[in-house]
Amino acid sequence: DVKVTQSSRYLVKRTGEKVFLECVQDMDHENMFWYRQDPGLGLRLIYFSYDVKMKEKGDIPEGYSVSREKKERFSLILESASTNQTSMYLCASSSTDGWQYFGPGTRLTVL
Amino acid sequence: GENVEQHPSTLSVQEGDSAVIKCTYSDSASNYFPWYKQELGKGPQLIIDIRSNVGEKKDQRIAVTLNKTAKHFSLHITETQPEDSAVYFCAASNHQAGTALIFGKGTTLSVSS
Repeated sequence: DVKVTQSSRYLVKRTGEKVFLECVQDMDHENMFWYRQDPGLGLRLIYFSYDVKMKEKGDIPEGYSVSREKKERFSLILESASTNQTSMYLCASSSTDGWQYFGPGTRLTVL
Repeated sequence: GENVEQHPSTLSVQEGDSAVIKCTYSDSASNYFPWYKQELGKGPQLIIDIRSNVGEKKDQRIAVTLNKTAKHFSLHITETQPEDSAVYFCAASNHQAGTALIFGKGTTLSVSS
């Protein structure tokens, strides 16, 4: 079974803190994605990566950055967390056939 | 870019009834259309997908139809059960071009027994 794991299920941070969300997949997938999920807005793509050290902006990249130093790991970074970044963050990975697998999500609260 | 609209936002049915969720997309180059089910406290899980070279695909009680001309696709669940209650998302992408999935806003399905 494909497994996508995220470092934390729940996270509480303060405004201005630097936040790291980690995602690891165990299926040697080329592609990895970060989404945020908010009520009534569905899943919105923040960043994605098609290869190591490669990244592309999604629909809402402002306030976020990413890092992919190894194929299996994709990190989302909030350089200076703000209250409007309180959300559910979902990581996903996919192979070239397009099937996309999601992790369980990290619910981030910024106070 | 691609835009995906999904309707209805909420759907309530009685156990045993059918449920239909509809999505429209804007980019005629999109050729891959998956559906995801998200249960409470979990990440979305792929339940069925369809590619643009077919018009319909079935998997037990679940079916998806695609109308490329009208640029819409639908999820059909027959003989609904309480465990079908979840949030369902449609998505679209141009798989050959390697574009990322664009998701609809989701439909909350409630099946009452």
